[in-house]
Amino acid sequence: GAVVSQHPSRVICKSGTSVKIECRSLDFQATTMFWYRQFPKKSLMLMATSNEGSKATYEQGVEKDKFLINHASLTLSTLTVTSAHPEDSSFYICSAETSGGSSYEQYFGPGTRLTVT
Amino acid sequence: AQSVTQLGSHVSVSEGALVLLRCNYSSSVPPYLFWYVQYPNQGLQLLLKYTTGATLVKGINGFEAEFKKSETSFHLTKPSAHMSDAAEYFCAAGTYKYIFGTGTRLKVLA
Repeated sequence: GAVVSQHPSRVICKSGTSVKIECRSLDFQATTMFWYRQFPKKSLMLMATSNEGSKATYEQGVEKDKFLINHASLTLSTLTVTSAHPEDSSFYICSAETSGGSSYEQYFGPGTRLTVT
Repeated sequence: AQSVTQLGSHVSVSEGALVLLRCNYSSSVPPYLFWYVQYPNQGLQLLLKYTTGATLVKGINGFEAEFKKSETSFHLTKPSAHMSDAAEYFCAAGTYKYIFGTGTRLKVLA
């Protein structure tokens, strides 16, 4: 149980275009989903926290107008990188926390490799 | 503010040798602690976690970690390394939000 999927696994887009990444909890309901960014050979940086039905909470330094997050249901959150530029190229990972969990365990998706040319 | 420090960005061990990956956290209140493993181009897989109770935590693949409050540490160990253990390991601390360490790349030598 507690499987999180991401789609697509890899995407290449041209500079100036937008790209949407989906994060789904497959076998549980997730009231909270998290979006991370991982630079090559670096750790994960939390970008934002999204709760179902409300606006995402962005970490300091993350542009909310550039990284649009929508958490429309208890099983789906999307991250849209708008007007992408080469510096947005990165590995994006989402995670989900089960509703009512007491151990604050996050289940991670397999990640999405974004390359902006 | 919380922080997580992983000593050693790269660790090499021989196959069959002890694996020790170090993690220290900085927090006035002991947080929940986690170890994750990441294989190339993949997401994170939970190895083990400490929330409350027994300070020696056993995880998957023969890994274990001991929470030592006095040392603010949560080091990861495995008695005998296997080639398949080669990966990136992340220590994380937190409750609602996680703070990740910078990661340790484990290399297992034949």
